[in-house]
Amino acid sequence: NAGVMQNPRHLVRRRGQEARLRCSPVKGHSHVYWYRQLPEEGLKFMVYLQKENIIDESGMPKERFSAEFPKEGPSILRIQQVVRGDSAAYFCASSPRSGQGSTGELFFGEGSRLTVL
Amino acid sequence: AQSVTQPDIHITVSEGASLELRCNYSYGATPYLFWYVQSPGQGLQLLLKYFSGDTLVQGIKGFEAEFKRSQSSFNLRKPSVHWSDAAEYFCAVYNFNKFYFGSGTKLNVKP
Repeated sequence: NAGVMQNPRHLVRRRGQEARLRCSPVKGHSHVYWYRQLPEEGLKFMVYLQKENIIDESGMPKERFSAEFPKEGPSILRIQQVVRGDSAAYFCASSPRSGQGSTGELFFGEGSRLTVL
Repeated sequence: AQSVTQPDIHITVSEGASLELRCNYSYGATPYLFWYVQSPGQGLQLLLKYFSGDTLVQGIKGFEAEFKRSQSSFNLRKPSVHWSDAAEYFCAVYNFNKFYFGSGTKLNVKP
């Protein structure tokens, strides 16, 4: 009975390197959300994806950040040329459906904590 | 624009005391409302949710919340707090594919 699985749980990168964070949603869920949590701050929406589609990326920084949710495999949040300000916890959440008729409930992973040296 | 406000950043209560965490939202219609709890180093766990109907909803771990349309509030309550309730609590609003989270309230429980 696997929930949302995120890996790695902890990732250390040096400035300028790339970070890849993976998220496997709950089995059968086709909606994935990524959130960023900075110390002493709440969750900030980054992107909402369905299989093979980006639905809403209004919370994603315009540069260096990208996300995908391919037909097969986990969702990936990719951060290129990381900077110290990217250090944060990144949470993935999944939902079975969205829009009208949805329960709206999110199932969260335990997060990936990125540290940029 | 939709927003969720949790005015209390930190709250400390004694074990056994009652608890109320405040949440106000800004949204035109009646939204879907949620409370999540986050233990240190963990993801978020759903405590309870409100969609419609009875404005007092019961959740897990003895928590309840009351939706008050006139005040645009959805406050979380617990009659008697346990030390294991120490965590961070997030109120959230769901509207058409997007969740809006408050900035969270950290609960500290004194023995």
